[in-house]
Amino acid sequence: DARVTQTPRHKVTEMGQEVTMRCQPILGHNTVFWYRQTMMQGLELLAYFRNRAPLDDSGMPKDRFSAEMPDATLATLKIQPSEPRDSAVYFCASGLAQGAALYEQYFGPGTRLTVT
Amino acid sequence: AQSVTQLGSHVSVSEGALVLLRCNYSSSVPPYLFWYVQYPNQGLQLLLKYTSAATLVKGINGFEAEFKKSETSFHLTKPSAHMSDAAEYFCAVSVRGSQGNLIFGKGTKLSVKP
Repeated sequence: DARVTQTPRHKVTEMGQEVTMRCQPILGHNTVFWYRQTMMQGLELLAYFRNRAPLDDSGMPKDRFSAEMPDATLATLKIQPSEPRDSAVYFCASGLAQGAALYEQYFGPGTRLTVT
Repeated sequence: AQSVTQLGSHVSVSEGALVLLRCNYSSSVPPYLFWYVQYPNQGLQLLLKYTSAATLVKGINGFEAEFKKSETSFHLTKPSAHMSDAAEYFCAVSVRGSQGNLIFGKGTKLSVKP
């Protein structure tokens, strides 16, 4: 069945290193979301795209985070340079929006990032 | 601004007992409301959603939720808990016309005792 896939599932890196997380949305979905989950803050929306164009990235620290959709089958979230406070689980979700309505988001399994 | 409050970060019930997970929302316009479940080391899975049809919404795995506008609530219930229901549950709100942007509550971890 159709699923959102994310790679890598786990990533351990040292402070200052670049981290790239990838997401393959469900084929045919036109909206992609990036979320971050931590114990302290819970689930936070970082950015989302509609038809590959960024709609909102206000939840993302602009100085170190960037999100792109090089094509309809790939979304990337990059952190450069990474910091220990970026340690979290990063989720990608996709959905099919019709007009302004999007009723369901399908989540990937997440990338667990640890920055030492 | 929209917000979601889930009362109780941890709820424990016995197998076979009623499950009640509470969610209150704040929204200046009619919202869409959702419950998601997260099993350990997995992503979130949609349990059910309210999008302005019937106020009592039935979802997967025997869960249901009732939208009560007067109480700004959307509590999740299940008549009889099963061990496999142990997970974390998230309530979320989306404002109509917001392009699907979800605001999540902090989550409630459900434990089920044998």
